Amino acid sequence: GDSVTQMEGPVTLSEEAFLTINCTYTATGYPSLFWYVQYPGEGLQLLLKATKADDKGSNKGFEATYRKETTSFHLEKGSVQVSDSAVYFCALSVNTGNQFYFGTGTSLTVIP
Amino acid sequence: NAGVMQNPRHLVRRRGQEARLRCSPVKGHSHVYWYRQLPEEGLKFMVYLQKENIIDESGMPKERFSAEFPKEGPSILRIQQVVRGDSAAYFCASSPLRTDQETQYFGPGTRLLVL
Repeated sequence: GDSVTQMEGPVTLSEEAFLTINCTYTATGYPSLFWYVQYPGEGLQLLLKATKADDKGSNKGFEATYRKETTSFHLEKGSVQVSDSAVYFCALSVNTGNQFYFGTGTSLTVIP
Repeated sequence: NAGVMQNPRHLVRRRGQEARLRCSPVKGHSHVYWYRQLPEEGLKFMVYLQKENIIDESGMPKERFSAEFPKEGPSILRIQQVVRGDSAAYFCASSPLRTDQETQYFGPGTRLLVL
């Protein structure tokens, strides 16, 4: 079936450190891949997406590349800020389905 | 433009009571999805609706849970005779088209606490 496996947290980094959150997927169709961010007490906000292999999604300094060969969509940021502290969810949707499949989320805390 | 609206944001119920959660999608969106997020877990799909139709309810418990999206008004997720295990955050999302290659826009969620 379709699923997403996400790096477990929590992750704690110092400000300006490099961030990688791993995400791999299993899909029966041709998935689109997404990263959502959830700030405390809020809903999910779309951070970035990629709809086909080798596409790179980017937003607010975050990047992720859709790698079909390794079935991965790792999230990266070169220099994190305190304001990036949140929970990050990797997700996929397939063109034959009706729903998103979410990973379990990775909690990131950035300390000054 | 208003995003997805959900109310109430917080809901407290005692065991055995009913919970009604409301979701108003983005204006112009005719597809609504409900997800449940249990503590320390990711979101799990419950049900997908279009106006007046349930398209996919494969993730919704067979008993006590129901959902509707009437021609007029918000989508409603209804939980009858709530139990403590229903305590969770319930998120609604909407999209203009079916979710193939389209993004779902999420509301802020309703946090249900069952005492």
